Amino acid sequence: DGGITQSPKYLFRKEGQNVTLSCEQNLNHDAMYWYRQDPGQGLRLIYYSQIVNDFQKGDIAEGYSVSREKKESFPLTVTSAQKNPTAFYLCASSIQGYSNQPQHFGDGTRLSIL
Amino acid sequence: GIQVEQSPPDLILQEGANSTLRCNFSDSVNNLQWFHQNPWGQLINLFYIPSGTKQNGRLSATTVATERYSLLYISSSQTTDSGVYFCAVRMNRDDKIIFGKGTRLHILP
Repeated sequence: DGGITQSPKYLFRKEGQNVTLSCEQNLNHDAMYWYRQDPGQGLRLIYYSQIVNDFQKGDIAEGYSVSREKKESFPLTVTSAQKNPTAFYLCASSIQGYSNQPQHFGDGTRLSIL
Repeated sequence: GIQVEQSPPDLILQEGANSTLRCNFSDSVNNLQWFHQNPWGQLINLFYIPSGTKQNGRLSATTVATERYSLLYISSSQTTDSGVYFCAVRMNRDDKIIFGKGTRLHILP
């Protein structure tokens, strides 16, 4: 079945370490998104990409980086510059340019600091 | 940027009660979705509803785009309806999708 796969489900980071969260989709969607959710809070947009080799900053991009080398993949790197990375990270995708299509989500990655 | 406001922030109801959740947005959008986040963090797509009314079992939703709001109705609530309900809107001018802060619903047995 088509869908979005995020891995790992749980991730632990040491101080000063970069970590990369994986997001893969086989829905043939053009647009992909990364969100951060803190406990008891809503989702905040980190980065999004409308097409391969292009991406835009969301509302909280500082301390994060992304790449979009393939249509299916949109990995998120949490750098050591992100001082408070503990959160739940959700990846999503949608058909770009077709506004009558919904956004689909992965099951998320929980990141914690050791 | 666009503001998406959901109300109420928290709602506690007895099983069997009906509820209405509201989502207001401050700018023109070209789509709107309602999601339910379960206790494991999974986001379940409930409705894609840029305008009009849709129904799915005990749930229904109405969006009035010209007045910039959407309503989610839950009838005959069950304990499994508990969780957080989010609305999300997509901007007209780009593919940016913005979420509200959610309504946390507690259904008591």
